Amino acid sequence: SQQGEEDPQALSIQEGENATMNCSYKTSINNLQWYRQNSGRGLVHLILIRSNEREKHSGRLRVTLDTSKKSSSLLITASRAADTASYFCAPAVAAGNKLTFGGGTRVLVKP
Amino acid sequence: NAGVMQNPRHLVRRRGQEARLRCSPMKGHSHVYWYRQLPEEGLKFMVYLQKENIIDESGMPKERFSAEFPKEGPSILRIQQVVRGDSAAYFCASSPMGAPNTGELFFGEGSRLTVL
Repeated sequence: SQQGEEDPQALSIQEGENATMNCSYKTSINNLQWYRQNSGRGLVHLILIRSNEREKHSGRLRVTLDTSKKSSSLLITASRAADTASYFCAPAVAAGNKLTFGGGTRVLVKP
Repeated sequence: NAGVMQNPRHLVRRRGQEARLRCSPMKGHSHVYWYRQLPEEGLKFMVYLQKENIIDESGMPKERFSAEFPKEGPSILRIQQVVRGDSAAYFCASSPMGAPNTGELFFGEGSRLTVL
């Protein structure tokens, strides 16, 4: 398995703005997953993008994957105060059965 | 369909005592993962178990920590002779089969251990 590294570490935006965070990883992957963690809670799966996909949408979320650059991005459009959370990426290698997480991006959406 | 259930949600122990954290995976899930999270940090993988088998314990400290997932009952993470550095949130996740190739992990709400 391998760990993704999220960037930036923290992000502060106004409600209604878009939030973009990036994830870099080091080796080939089978898929990459994004999770959200609200303060004091467990992680919640947001979206999974497979290595043969370049972009995926789910509601206000848009995820891109560039396997040539070994990077992914998560865009939250029209952010809401409820989007305040930490966001983690988890690259998944084909041979591994565990996910490892980086330090995450802490997003603060101000009302 | 109940989610991943962890208990206790909060546990306070004095140095030298034992801590037992329980995790019941989602119905139909046979794979359990334990993670540890220190304040303001990401989750660190500890151990991956299937029923009656430890698949990967590369993240487990060599001493004082053990994990099991018996044929019947919840998975248990056991910490013997706790020290202050063991204070953390411990999260359990489950999957129906070999994730991540097949999908995502489902997380519990965590057990917060405080060692006095």
